[in-house]
Amino acid sequence: QITLKESGPALVKSTQTLTLTCTFSGFSLTTTGVGVGWIRQPPGGALEWLALIYWDDDKRYSPSLRSRLTITKDTFKNQVVLTMTNMDPVDTATYYCALTTVITSFDPWGQGTLVTVSS
Amino acid sequence: DIVMTQSPDSLAVSLGERATINCKSSQSILYSPSNKYYLAWYQQKPGQPPKLLINWASTRESGIPDRFSGSGSGTEFTLTISSLQAEDVAVYYCQSHYRTPAFGQGTKVEIK
Repeated sequence: QITLKESGPALVKSTQTLTLTCTFSGFSLTTTGVGVGWIRQPPGGALEWLALIYWDDDKRYSPSLRSRLTITKDTFKNQVVLTMTNMDPVDTATYYCALTTVITSFDPWGQGTLVTVSS
Repeated sequence: DIVMTQSPDSLAVSLGERATINCKSSQSILYSPSNKYYLAWYQQKPGQPPKLLINWASTRESGIPDRFSGSGSGTEFTLTISSLQAEDVAVYYCQSHYRTPAFGQGTKVEIK
């Protein structure tokens, strides 16, 4: 059974850096083709893809947020970490991680973690 | 960058009636080796993460009722719910997984 779980602070202040961890089980990020992505969703809003990392350390970022994002993986811990700098109240959202591959969509997803940015 | 545009933003359909959601990509999302399209559909209910319904534009995921179907080609795609059930009330998203992912803005489906 494949599971993913997001963890991180529920509240951050403006200008701070957010660090989120996705801890997964049931697959390995050393398997060819496998990747993990981050997606966020503001309250009442739409899904927005942020970043993804593949088994070979290939990293992709949303063009609009590229300058603020860093994604890394720890294959021994089965974790993927996303950092987002210079947080702003508009970054308030539920942040999800999800399994993907080089040719498929996101499935399954974690339950998400709500991050609120205070001014 | 690919932009995915859904229509309508919301729709209300009577129970048992058909619901149709459209999704348009700003450029081709064809996966040439298999002549399939990098297009997925998700269902999201309140308080839950999105659930993958359809992959490759028309391949239903395991366990998804056959009232859900996907179609389309080129840059225009459609999700159809053939007979709307109460449990289908949700927001539906299309997503391209060509090169870099991109989601549509979502379509809210309600009961009329």
